[in-house]
Amino acid sequence: AQSVTQLGSHVSVSEGALVLLRCNYSSSVPPYLFWYVQYPNQGLQLLLKYTSAATLVKGINGFEAEFKKSETSFHLTKPSAHMSDAAEYFCAVSDEAGGFKTIFGAGTRLFVKA
Amino acid sequence: DGGITQSPKYLFRKEGQNVTLSCEQNLNHDAMYWYRQDPGQGLRLIYYSQIVNDFQKGDIAEGYSVSREKKESFPLTVTSAQKNPTAFYLCASSQGQGSNQPQHFGDGTRLSIL
Repeated sequence: AQSVTQLGSHVSVSEGALVLLRCNYSSSVPPYLFWYVQYPNQGLQLLLKYTSAATLVKGINGFEAEFKKSETSFHLTKPSAHMSDAAEYFCAVSDEAGGFKTIFGAGTRLFVKA
Repeated sequence: DGGITQSPKYLFRKEGQNVTLSCEQNLNHDAMYWYRQDPGQGLRLIYYSQIVNDFQKGDIAEGYSVSREKKESFPLTVTSAQKNPTAFYLCASSQGQGSNQPQHFGDGTRLSIL
């Protein structure tokens, strides 16, 4: 069965510092992986997705993620944090065995300090 | 612009009352979903629908009902049987039949008990 673990419910960084949000997944078949961002009182927006093409995926707002099969990880990074990056981030996994169901992680809230 | 519209943004329910949350999409997507979001728990799937006139229970369907009479619309009814309905409800849709498709989200409805 699919599952997603996001390490750290809260992450705090200084403006201009590296952002690293961790995601580990479990899937019995090749997975499709997604990162979404949620701003307060809004829905989720897609940041990027991995669908078995390049292992390094670039997304919107300067974010990228690297698929590492050996580590079953799909960590999200951004070289330099901006105040506007403060939000909640969700990692998600789906696969052919799970059909239409996407499994979401519990989320990581990112705080950016001035 | 294409997108998903959820209404109302805020909703209050009295004891013993059924309430219906609206979700409309103009993206021409086949699949639609309802999620419940509680603090620190990520998103939990309530119901999903792959095509018109067909839908399946998700992980927490008890106390909820849906219909899919039109491709564009997927309303969710929170019944009086749902004893803890206070949450943020998100509707989503995705294109095509594959699990590699990302989901597009509405801006949510926040339901509270009076």
